[in-house]
Amino acid sequence: GAGVSQSPSNKVTEKGKDVELRCDPISGHTALYWYRQSLGQGLEFLIYFQGNSAPDKSGLPSDRFSAERTGGSVSTLTIQRTQQEDSAVYLCASSVGTDLSTDTQYFGPGTRLTVL
Amino acid sequence: GQNIDQPTEMTATEGAIVQINCTYQTSGFNGLFWYQQHAGEAPTFLSYNVLDGLEEKGRFSSFLSRSKGYSYLLLKELQMKDSASYLCAVRDTDTGTASKLTFGTGTRLQVTL
Repeated sequence: GAGVSQSPSNKVTEKGKDVELRCDPISGHTALYWYRQSLGQGLEFLIYFQGNSAPDKSGLPSDRFSAERTGGSVSTLTIQRTQQEDSAVYLCASSVGTDLSTDTQYFGPGTRLTVL
Repeated sequence: GQNIDQPTEMTATEGAIVQINCTYQTSGFNGLFWYQQHAGEAPTFLSYNVLDGLEEKGRFSSFLSRSKGYSYLLLKELQMKDSASYLCAVRDTDTGTASKLTFGTGTRLQVTL
């Protein structure tokens, strides 16, 4: 596709349930990033992938959060036993990822997660 | 630690010029980005500065001073569609081929008639 796509666009879940959020990066982009944006807050880094490896997962807030990437393309962010404070917009971005000096991240439309 | 500051809100008139400032204190520096984000939409890339000076792109320009830890985004000939949040972000690493960005909380710009 032309841009980064994410699904679902909206997800409402009950506290304690698990959720999976999906990201399809721009074709050919080797780097993929997950961020979270809470109401009134800046974008908060969660994890990034270079290929299928995650060199930096320092932003994952707890062990309830995990992510994987397969085939160097699609990524899934999983939140187990969701809590109300997990409610946010989860944004995915991708970049070419071959030259840091010119690397630019392009964002998908996000998944709005609401935990009741 | 990382600290990026921008004003929370600004208002400007259609047709005018507005300057949105961003100051940063990060453990390293390898580029500063500006993104535009309309309400309910994804951030879209506006500009990138890694060297000191001014980068111009049509109605939008971005300036960087690394010694002062300071950048600004200049928007000329404001249009109503420029009403959005403007996000300043810093890349603080110089190793590898990709890296996370650290974002400020964004500046919400309201353009009025």
